[in-house]
Amino acid sequence: QKEVEQNSGPLSVPEGAIASLNCTYSDRGSQSFFWYRQYSGKSPELIMFIYSNGDKEDGRFTAQLNKASQYVSLLIRDSQPSDSATYLCAVTQFYFGTGTSLTVIP
Amino acid sequence: DAGVTQSPTHLIKTRGQQVTLRCSPKSGHDTVSWYQQALGQGPQFIFQYYEEEERQRGNFPDRFSGHQFPNYSSELNVNALLLGDSALYLCASSLDSVYGYTFGSGTRLTVV
Repeated sequence: QKEVEQNSGPLSVPEGAIASLNCTYSDRGSQSFFWYRQYSGKSPELIMFIYSNGDKEDGRFTAQLNKASQYVSLLIRDSQPSDSATYLCAVTQFYFGTGTSLTVIP
Repeated sequence: DAGVTQSPTHLIKTRGQQVTLRCSPKSGHDTVSWYQQALGQGPQFIFQYYEEEERQRGNFPDRFSGHQFPNYSSELNVNALLLGDSALYLCASSLDSVYGYTFGSGTRLTVV
């Protein structure tokens, strides 16, 4: 069973702070990792993908991958109330975590 | 440019019945995957279609079947519906899955 684990939260951060979302996975051979954002009642929306160890930045978002530790994270800088959503970690396109609920407090 | 479209939006079926859900992928996309998302859970992978063939399948019973047509659109069929099949069914498409998927808005299935 290939597992993806996320802290379900809820995670609350004040506006302007950095939100840190974490994900661990069990299949050491996994090569591709994705972060999706899902607003309540909506479908998931791709934020970022990462394949190589290290950091990948896109605007206010940074994905971090450590294959040796089987760990992938998402940092959201200068968090905005509009970032309030559930963030889903996916390993390949087949295995999703249960998501972390983020609330950004104005 | 239309994204991924799914129909119907909502559906209510009786236990034991059969249901067909439909998906049109985003223009230019050739790969379609289906997911089941229960309330408060992450999407669970059902299967993936490419070139009209089922390429990969998740841990779902044979009651769940699918099809992809030459125009890349796809159907998900569920037979002998159970109460536990009530969920949001998501279709997602991509051209090359390494770049991630575009999801449709989903079909909310309620089995009573």
